[in-house]
Amino acid sequence: QKEVEQNSGPLSVPEGAIASLNCTYSDRGSQSFFWYRQYSGKSPELIMFIYSNGDKEDGRFTAQLNKASQYVSLLIRDSQPSDSATYLCAVMFTGGGNKLTFGTGTQLKVEL
Amino acid sequence: DGGITQSPKYLFRKEGQNVTLSCEQNLNHDAMYWYRQDPGQGLRLIYYSQIVNDFQKGDIAEGYSVSREKKESFPLTVTSAQKNPTAFYLCASSSTPGRGNSPLHFGNGTRLTVT
Repeated sequence: QKEVEQNSGPLSVPEGAIASLNCTYSDRGSQSFFWYRQYSGKSPELIMFIYSNGDKEDGRFTAQLNKASQYVSLLIRDSQPSDSATYLCAVMFTGGGNKLTFGTGTQLKVEL
Repeated sequence: DGGITQSPKYLFRKEGQNVTLSCEQNLNHDAMYWYRQDPGQGLRLIYYSQIVNDFQKGDIAEGYSVSREKKESFPLTVTSAQKNPTAFYLCASSSTPGRGNSPLHFGNGTRLTVT
């Protein structure tokens, strides 16, 4: 069973701080990793994806991938109250076609 | 505007009835997916289709059926055999099956309540 693990939270950070969200996965050969944001009652929205070791930056968001440690993270700089949501990590496992396996998500709360 | 349309947004049914959830996309995507989400849980894959007239079971296909007669459409039927059908159902599509950097794009979801 290929798995994606996330701490459910809630993770609380003050406004303006850096939020760090973490995800581990079970298949060492996995190639592609995705972060989605989901507001309560809404559908997931893609934030970014990464498939090379290292960092990938997009505005206030940075995805970090370490394939040796089977670990992917999402950093949110200058956190805003509007960033309060559940963040879902998704992994495309090898040999699984183009389908994603999702973690259960981490709830982020950005406090004023 | 291109996108994925799911209808209806809310659906109520009596136990024992089959119900069909609609999903239409105009993104010209080859692959389409159905996921289910329960409160406090991640998304679980029900069925997916990488090409017209072909589809595969996901992790929780029991009690569900699908069809893919047109590229744009991938309806999901929740049958009376599904023991716990009340959930939030999400349809998604992606452009290039098998490409690792082809992300999924989601519709707005259908919230099904069965009593």
